[in-house]
Amino acid sequence: EVQLVESGGGVERPGGSLRLSCAASGFTFDNYAMSWVRQAPGKGLEWVSIIYWNGGSTRYADSVKGRFTISRDNAKNSLYLQMNSLRAEDTAFYYCARVPPGDYSYYYMDVWGKGTTVTVSS
Amino acid sequence: QSVLTQPPSVSAAPGQKVTISCSGSSSNIGNNYVSWYQHLPGTAPKLLIYDNNKRPSGIPDRFSGSKSGTSATLDITGLQTGDEADYYCGTWDSSLSAGVFGGGTKLTVL
Repeated sequence: EVQLVESGGGVERPGGSLRLSCAASGFTFDNYAMSWVRQAPGKGLEWVSIIYWNGGSTRYADSVKGRFTISRDNAKNSLYLQMNSLRAEDTAFYYCARVPPGDYSYYYMDVWGKGTTVTVSS
Repeated sequence: QSVLTQPPSVSAAPGQKVTISCSGSSSNIGNNYVSWYQHLPGTAPKLLIYDNNKRPSGIPDRFSGSKSGTSATLDITGLQTGDEADYYCGTWDSSLSAGVFGGGTKLTVL
């Protein structure tokens, strides 16, 4: 069964750091790009970041650029999101998602995890 | 404010058809493919449509998508109470070099 399981969420103070993980199973992880998407309380889905199959190419939403870093370990079938300089507005449910092969114009996410909650509060 | 524009809510009776629109620009919908997602908050979003009008395996043909110019549409026919959820359009924005979503549309089946 294809599965993505996020972990690492929690409560952190403004200015603090958290590292999210996403464990992938049931598919050949290094054949796929991976993304992070978040949903703040009462808001819609917000795209956060993408990393390509070999980690050589990454992109970020302007709202997290310079503060968040996406990475992957293909040997461990794992995706990560290092979140630094956290702000209250980073409070959200964070989802990892699988991105099928293809260039950017075909971008979509076909498998999603159930998410992990991040709360940034003093 | 979202890059893609969707109506905040739509509603229809069971068995009826509903249409959800998604409006963008030449840097996103106009030159890239559109996908649609069904989401109940706190659960994993589900892919309904990709490449403008293709359905993944397991998605019933009651769900269909189309695109024209800088706008896209999701049609849901034969509405069921289980279709009540939030629906999002998504695509790549070539100017932003980022993925983008619409603000989401809440579907109520009356």
